[in-house]
Amino acid sequence: GEDVEQSLFLSVREGDSSVINCTYTDSSSTYLYWYKQEPGAGLQLLTYIFSNMDMKQDQRLTVLLNKKDKHLSLRIADTQTGDSAIYFCAERGDNQGGKLIFGQGTELSVKP
Amino acid sequence: DAMVIQNPRYQVTQFGKPVTLSCSQTLNHNVMYWYQQKSSQAPKLLFHYYDKDFNNEADTPDNFQSRRPNTSFCFLDIRSPGLGDAAMYLCATGQPGAKYFGPGTRLLVL
Repeated sequence: GEDVEQSLFLSVREGDSSVINCTYTDSSSTYLYWYKQEPGAGLQLLTYIFSNMDMKQDQRLTVLLNKKDKHLSLRIADTQTGDSAIYFCAERGDNQGGKLIFGQGTELSVKP
Repeated sequence: DAMVIQNPRYQVTQFGKPVTLSCSQTLNHNVMYWYQQKSSQAPKLLFHYYDKDFNNEADTPDNFQSRRPNTSFCFLDIRSPGLGDAAMYLCATGQPGAKYFGPGTRLLVL
């Protein structure tokens, strides 16, 4: 079945870059997503990438997709304390009615 | 402006007492989803609607039902909540690309 994996924790210093990695197994994935979840809140869509793209940049966020290796990463430049949250990677397969399969989330801790 | 609205944000119910959670969306999308998220876990899909076509995940308990009276609204009914149903319930909508989630309803079962 489909599976999405992420490392559970990442700690960085304020001002450094953060890189959160994700691997997935469904080769039919059409879209891949990054969501941010702060404590007690819903999921905030940060960005998404279509499977025929290698890279997408949006202000401080850069998404890299290696479709051959089924590897997705999210780079946050100049990480701030307000970026501390859980980041979920998700993939949408082609034949799943638009259902998203989520990774278990990476908790990003930004230290001043 | 909020695109997916969920009410209430917090819901307390008693063991076995039916509860209904609501969701509305302003995007006029034909697909809506209900996810359950337990503490420190990833969201798990319970149901989704494509227009009025209802799709139940194979492992969604029978205790959970859903209604979608029109494009904008969707309800999650929990007929007899158990302690294990305490969770955050997230509603979502969106086109094949962007998928937007509401703020969630946190359900507490006493």
